[in-house]
Amino acid sequence: SQQGEEDPQALSIQEGENATMNCSYKTSINNLQWYRQNSGRGLVHLILIRSNEREKHSGRLRVTLDTSKKSSSLLITASRAADTASYFCASYSGNTPLVFGKGTRLSVIA
Amino acid sequence: NADVMQNPRHLVRRRGQEARLRCSPMKGHSHVYWYRQLPEEGLKFMVYLQKENIIDESGMPKERFSAEFPKEGPSILRIQQVVRGDSAAYFCASSPLGTGGSGANVLTFGAGSRLTVL
Repeated sequence: SQQGEEDPQALSIQEGENATMNCSYKTSINNLQWYRQNSGRGLVHLILIRSNEREKHSGRLRVTLDTSKKSSSLLITASRAADTASYFCASYSGNTPLVFGKGTRLSVIA
Repeated sequence: NADVMQNPRHLVRRRGQEARLRCSPMKGHSHVYWYRQLPEEGLKFMVYLQKENIIDESGMPKERFSAEFPKEGPSILRIQQVVRGDSAAYFCASSPLGTGGSGANVLTFGAGSRLTVL
């Protein structure tokens, strides 16, 4: 079964607004990662947060991790049309390969 | 080329035929992972290989599917006697480190191979 589940499944915002996507997972993790997938393309790694970290920033991206709630959020600030893509959380638990959620489809309207 | 290379990008097969998908990992990466993605779905893990070894094939169907990563050449995902339900995008990813232990393994993905079974 999927380890991560993203919420919402789809999100549509205006350019310049912030986009927040959430991810919940089931078991304890080593780290949690966020990936982006443009339509018809492969996934690209965005950011990794370790289980002992609570928040991490990278450019316009901000990721939080709450291990007590088994949840993470990805915030994209000042969104651009080029941010339109699907966003997936993925996690490692023990020695399992990286397990992905179903993703959030983000549409940024110019 | 530093990227993960997959070919073919698109493959059309009739039911009962064989599909072979190839993946050349990034230079310096010795770990390869295959994932399958159905439309509007996330990626489902299939198999994890190192050179000449299958490390984890827990996500791969027991019948008709096989994978290899020989000492020389690309990793190959082989699907025999394809059925319509095999239609999907198959993604390969590579990493310099394996799962477990490092706790910080980031995957680099190829652009995928899209299989259509008629």
